[in-house]
Amino acid sequence: EDQVTQSPEALRLQEGESSSLNCSYTVSGLRGLFWYRQDPGKGPEFLFTLYSAGEEKEKERLKATLTKKESFLHITAPKPEDSATYLCAVTYTGNQFYFGTGTSLTVIP
Amino acid sequence: GAVVSQHPSRVICKSGTSVKIECRSLDFQATTMFWYRQFPKKSLMLMATSNEGSKATYEQGVEKDKFLINHASLTLSTLTVTSAHPEDSSFYICSARDSGQARDEQFFGPGTRLTVL
Repeated sequence: EDQVTQSPEALRLQEGESSSLNCSYTVSGLRGLFWYRQDPGKGPEFLFTLYSAGEEKEKERLKATLTKKESFLHITAPKPEDSATYLCAVTYTGNQFYFGTGTSLTVIP
Repeated sequence: GAVVSQHPSRVICKSGTSVKIECRSLDFQATTMFWYRQFPKKSLMLMATSNEGSKATYEQGVEKDKFLINHASLTLSTLTVTSAHPEDSSFYICSARDSGQARDEQFFGPGTRLTVL
């Protein structure tokens, strides 16, 4: 059974068109939820950690939020350089990460 | 901070040979490192957890005799793919946790593209 589900699978936005990516998790006892950005042929780049429902983190045009069942990555006024795959991962023990399959974001100039 | 390097970035080898991939934490110590495999347009699959000074913990279905892991120091873990075959071709990525921080983030290396001919 999948621990983490990300949607949509792919998203195309016009430059400046804000949107949100979703990450939902199925098992209780979450210890932490993580967002990463991955460019083609590269390793994931760490963005945010969220530990408790109601927590929010921001970095430039990105804002991550967490509820008891899901997390959202909000992208405000995206630019073409924000194009990448965004991965969500959860951990219950602190060691093993369960990754979603990612959302491939394309921002069109 | 929190930089992880991998070497080599790309390797092409003949079937039956062994390939070693190095993963280093450059500016922090890592008691625990992780090795992942990623297939095209798929997410990361954890292969094993590498613990400094002890044996690695392998995930179900991962052959420990084929994927040898050594974590000899607090900044270096190696993955050796023994007797490589074309089906071992993949993108291998390592990650590390900062032992000096009470946090769970994993910091990833840039990955190694292995092609077995």
